[in-house]
Amino acid sequence: NAGVMQNPRHLVRRRGQEARLRCSPMKGHSHVYWYRQLPEEGLKFMVYLQKENIIDESGMPKERFSAEFPKEGPSILRIQQVVRGDSAAYFCASSPSVRPNTEAFFGQGTRLTVV
Amino acid sequence: GEDVEQSLFLSVREGDSSVINCTYTDSSSTYLYWYKQEPGAGLQLLTYIFSNMDMKQDQRLTVLLNKKDKHLSLRIADTQTGDSAIYFCAVLTTDSWGKLQFGAGTQVVVTP
Repeated sequence: NAGVMQNPRHLVRRRGQEARLRCSPMKGHSHVYWYRQLPEEGLKFMVYLQKENIIDESGMPKERFSAEFPKEGPSILRIQQVVRGDSAAYFCASSPSVRPNTEAFFGQGTRLTVV
Repeated sequence: GEDVEQSLFLSVREGDSSVINCTYTDSSSTYLYWYKQEPGAGLQLLTYIFSNMDMKQDQRLTVLLNKKDKHLSLRIADTQTGDSAIYFCAVLTTDSWGKLQFGAGTQVVVTP
């Protein structure tokens, strides 16, 4: 089991471009969570998805950010028209169940730099 | 919403015990976690405790929970240089299954 795979590990975008971050959950996991870590801060919840459904997007900025987890393929976090303030590490976690005694496994993260 | 607070920095000598503290505000917090993050890496779950427990021990790690004061601590016995990392406290509440609330992290530096 390869673990939660995120790619790319590092992404550089110019202001105004789009950023696409991918997350492949662990095999058998149908729950995916995205978190953002700003420099010197803890992780902040962004969105929780199950296959083809957004369950909780209360942490997502209202504009420019979107997430999906299609029936086939990885979960995608998409940031349109990136700005410098979007520079952060974005982590994806997956779990087999929403039950809290199930560990959510984290990926290595994608470090986005907006120049 | 939930606020999770941690001290930002801890320096400890190799072989000593480290104690990392965390406070939280939501009394409905039911599961409390400690994660370790090494430079450039993801998060590794170290241990977790249910709110109906007050202590959990796992090898060199001891978690203490004071539910009345909403205070959680992680003690690392015989701290090694490989324990140098950022340690995050995180909580899960009954109205937010799947959504972890993290503290800002405590950077632990182990000196020889």
